[in-house]
Amino acid sequence: KQEVTQIPAALSVPEGENLVLNCSFTDSAIYNLQWFRQDPGKGLTSLLLIQSSQREQTSGRLNASLDKSSGRSTLYIAASQPGDSATYLCAVGGMNYGGSQGNLIFGKGTKLSVKP
Amino acid sequence: EPEVTQTPSHQVTQMGQEVILRCVPISNHLYFYWYRQILGQKVEFLVSFYNNEISEKSEIFDDQFSVERPDGSNFTLKIRSTKLEDSAMYFCASSPGLLNNEQFFGPGTRLTVL
Repeated sequence: KQEVTQIPAALSVPEGENLVLNCSFTDSAIYNLQWFRQDPGKGLTSLLLIQSSQREQTSGRLNASLDKSSGRSTLYIAASQPGDSATYLCAVGGMNYGGSQGNLIFGKGTKLSVKP
Repeated sequence: EPEVTQTPSHQVTQMGQEVILRCVPISNHLYFYWYRQILGQKVEFLVSFYNNEISEKSEIFDDQFSVERPDGSNFTLKIRSTKLEDSAMYFCASSPGLLNNEQFFGPGTRLTVL
């Protein structure tokens, strides 16, 4: 059964710092991996999607890497800003019985606080 | 920019009552999902829907739950007889298809069962 773990559970950094959020998963037979941002009481905003055949994806100040064989992904945030404060969720896309994309399995998230 | 919408934003109901949560996925998306998040816990998968039928469901999605796409735009989740433990945020998501499988989530419906 796939398990997704995110470390650390919470992180507080001063504005401007570069930071790395970690995600690990137990079963390397994944379809894709998706990083989300969740603001308190709100929905999930998709940040980056990495297909299982890819090693990394970049969007603005965000860079996500994927190492399937070791069951790890990292989300790198450059030059953090107070507006980046949110909970960041990692979700692994499984494969359904038909061989196409199944459901997402989520980690519990890393709560990021960026201090001005 | 197209987005997934959900109504209502908050639903309060009595234990044993039926509730219907509504979602409008992004148009031309083919895959639809329901997830839930109990306060302080992980987001959990409930069910996926493709080509007018359930393609996958979790252990949580028992006989009390059902999904329907009654027309070309809405996607609904029905809970037949709500329990206290059904209190959670329910998220609808959609993705375009096999070649582009990024899932886009709605803002959620907060269900409170009293």
